Amino acid sequence: EDKVVQSPLSLVVHEGDTVTLNCSYEVTNFRSLLWYKQEKKAPTFLFMLTSSGIEKKSGRLSSILDKKELFSILNITATQTGDSAVYLCAVVTYSGGGADGLTFGKGTHLIIQP
Amino acid sequence: DAGVTQSPTHLIKTRGQHVTLRCSPISGHKSVSWYQQVLGQGPQFIFQYYEKEERGRGNFPDRFSARQFPNYSSELNVNALLLGDSALYLCASSLAGRSQVTQYFGPGTRLLVL
Repeated sequence: EDKVVQSPLSLVVHEGDTVTLNCSYEVTNFRSLLWYKQEKKAPTFLFMLTSSGIEKKSGRLSSILDKKELFSILNITATQTGDSAVYLCAVVTYSGGGADGLTFGKGTHLIIQP
Repeated sequence: DAGVTQSPTHLIKTRGQHVTLRCSPISGHKSVSWYQQVLGQGPQFIFQYYEKEERGRGNFPDRFSARQFPNYSSELNVNALLLGDSALYLCASSLAGRSQVTQYFGPGTRLLVL
């Protein structure tokens, strides 16, 4: 059974701190790894990672994938209160029949204190 | 452009009833996936439809069914509701059902079963 494990499950830091969120996976037929930010309802897309060692960057957020060690990290520098959210990691796997499935981790609940 | 839309936003049902949830994908997207997110957990894959055909199914009982219409909108049906079906039901659309394609989520339908 495909498994995605995120750590920590919750994290409280002060504004301005840098945080690192972890995602490890054990899946068959890996295709790619996605990071989403979920504030109230709809998860919003952050990054898609398919190749090892290539950092994706968007403003203060960055992410990298290690396909040998089967993990990814999401970094947020100079955190702001607006970064408070649940960060979800999901792995895309090929499930046959022309479809791909998404297996999500439980998420990391990040709280940024002013 | 409008994003993924879902209706209704909230729903309260009693055990044994059935429910129909609706999703309209982003214009031009041909694939719709459904997820169940229980409080404190990551979304769990229920179904994926592409070009009106079921392309993938998660580990959910036969009480769950879905279909996709010619305009690519989709319905998720759940029969004989149980208390444990209370969750946020998310719909995601993508251009195609294959890998390397990002899924974009709707705001979800929050279902409460009493």
